[in-house]
Amino acid sequence: QSVLTQPPSASGTPGQRVTISCSGSSSNIGSNTVNWYQQLPGTAPKLLIYNNNQRPSGVPDRFSGSKSGTSASLAISGLQSEDEADYHCAAWDDSLNGVVFGGGTKLTVL
Amino acid sequence: EVQLVESGGGLVQPGGSLRLSCAASGFTFSTYWMHWVRQAPGKGLVWVSRINSDGSSTTYADSVKGRFTISRDNAKNTLYLQMNSLRAEDSAVYYCASPPPYSSSLSAFDIWGQGTMVTVSS
Repeated sequence: QSVLTQPPSASGTPGQRVTISCSGSSSNIGSNTVNWYQQLPGTAPKLLIYNNNQRPSGVPDRFSGSKSGTSASLAISGLQSEDEADYHCAAWDDSLNGVVFGGGTKLTVL
Repeated sequence: EVQLVESGGGLVQPGGSLRLSCAASGFTFSTYWMHWVRQAPGKGLVWVSRINSDGSSTTYADSVKGRFTISRDNAKNTLYLQMNSLRAEDSAVYYCASPPPYSSSLSAFDIWGQGTMVTVSS
């Protein structure tokens, strides 16, 4: 049972816009920044969004992040086949004094 | 090239010990906090531990507290994870990770190793 809650799966067709939610509490998302990771099959995670809505250099602007209260979202517009991957949200938790992750969302491009 | 390379994983019996290493290159290792994150097969990411830049401060997930010890040797640009009293539920790919210089977020990691598999089984 992960501290942050994500839907286990999401899907969309090429060109569509999909969103993935990440729900937490006041001790994590409510008081700290959220980061998102993309994990392609058999590879290490890659930082996709940091500080709630910032993209590292090289990440396409098709990817965007937002946060409101104790929830966060990752949006992918203009969906492409190479976006098929697992997506994980993460935040620091003040009560647990550690990093907490969501359970991950498997995105399928139909 | 900025790189983290883990080693030391393998098969170990329940109750046994293992020491993981993470060799860093291409960045100023001694100035960064470092973390261990694990992922059981088919499961999500789980944070394990972190250590500050000079090794004087460490933090652990409750699930490993008292059994795992994180340490570092800045002269060798290497991070370690000593794992004792291993349990079946510790079986996972273990990644070392470091935060980006452009973010102060405590959960942002922009450099990851390739991971090393730990299997705890009799």
